[in-house]
Amino acid sequence: AQTVTQSQPEMSVQEAETVTLSCTYDTSESNYYLFWYKQPPSRQMILVIRQEAYKQQNATENRFSVNFQKAAKSFSLKISDSQLGDTAMYFCAFTQNTGNQFYFGTGTSLTVIP
Amino acid sequence: DAMVIQNPRYQVTQFGKPVTLSCSQTLNHNVMYWYQQKSSQAPKLLFHYYDKDFNNEADTPDNFQSRRPNTSFCFLDIRSPGLGDAAMYLCATMHFRGQETQYFGPGTRLLVL
Repeated sequence: AQTVTQSQPEMSVQEAETVTLSCTYDTSESNYYLFWYKQPPSRQMILVIRQEAYKQQNATENRFSVNFQKAAKSFSLKISDSQLGDTAMYFCAFTQNTGNQFYFGTGTSLTVIP
Repeated sequence: DAMVIQNPRYQVTQFGKPVTLSCSQTLNHNVMYWYQQKSSQAPKLLFHYYDKDFNNEADTPDNFQSRRPNTSFCFLDIRSPGLGDAAMYLCATMHFRGQETQYFGPGTRLLVL
């Protein structure tokens, strides 16, 4: 069975600092996709970053980057220069290319402190 | 340039009174999903359509039904809402064998009185 684990229910970070959110997953597949989604309070779920498992290079999107460790089945999100607008719930998610099921972690609530 | 649209954004219904939530997309994606999300929890998949093929999650109550009349539209019907069905309902789309990325609508918040 595919599972996604986020072991940090809540985190906080000072504005302008860097924070890392953890995610581990379990799958027997070799080809899959990993995602981080952001859901601000009472707002829409939006895609932050996407990683294809067959690509060894870690994905980056401006201040957001991932540390993808395929052997360890780990996919952490690093947010650099944290901004107040980064305050949100962050969900790690996973899908395989053999199906169209998505699997979500339980989320990490991030608060950026001014 | 809204890509996944959900209507209404807020829905109030009475206990036991049927309600329909709608979702439309301009992305021409072949997969559409309905999720239920309760406060500070991960989205819980209710069902999804791959083209016209309907896929129901094993633990989705019979009270929940869905229709996808065409590629662009998908509906969630709750036949007899209970107090426990009050939640945010999220619609998402994805193009399977394409980008394999889900795009979410803004959600419909359902309140059951």
